[in-house]
Amino acid sequence: QKEVEQDPGPLSVPEGAIVSLNCTYSNSAFQYFMWYRQYSRKGPELLMYTYSSGNKEDGRFTAQVDKSSKYISLFIRDSQPSDSATYLCAMSAPGGFKTIFGAGTRLFVKA
Amino acid sequence: DAGITQSPRHKVTETGTPVTLRCHQTENHRYMYWYRQDPGHGLRLIHYSYGVKDTDKGEVSDGYSVSRSKTEDFLLTLESATSSQTSVYFCAISDEGVNGYTFGSGTRLTVV
Repeated sequence: QKEVEQDPGPLSVPEGAIVSLNCTYSNSAFQYFMWYRQYSRKGPELLMYTYSSGNKEDGRFTAQVDKSSKYISLFIRDSQPSDSATYLCAMSAPGGFKTIFGAGTRLFVKA
Repeated sequence: DAGITQSPRHKVTETGTPVTLRCHQTENHRYMYWYRQDPGHGLRLIHYSYGVKDTDKGEVSDGYSVSRSKTEDFLLTLESATSSQTSVYFCAISDEGVNGYTFGSGTRLTVV
């Protein structure tokens, strides 16, 4: 079993839809949770960063962490064609040097 | 990507030849990482560095070596390239260990 599981999609939604992207994990030591966005043939860029449980909002993006269920989510409101990309979840434990990435979910937002 | 550059961007090489990929940063960050990205596997850590001459292995380090003689440069060497090392290689930097990376644009390596 992988430490981090993420549905690869693809996920196709109409413009303006609310998008929900999710990851599950098995290592209860993870405390730092991140979402990266990766456009085609580009490097990933950090989108959201959350420590421990709870919600974090940044514009149209909301990250949620449920440590009791070992489940994290990224919500995108009012999705735009420019949101079409691969979204990678990532997580790490305190005191470590390694971040574990999910395989990524491909998102297509249709105009 | 601002502050971090990878070279070359594309490379085709033959099986059995040595290959060196370069990562250069201008951010003076302490931590540098090499990842490979393959379909279905996501990003997997090859090696990382936490300072000049301080490096350690990641989860897929076999067949790879690294060197960091200056803060700004982190080199990844494939000693004898194999077809299984065909991949996209990303360098990443961080100033706080694991908490949020800046990635380079990647090197697309094909071993034939």
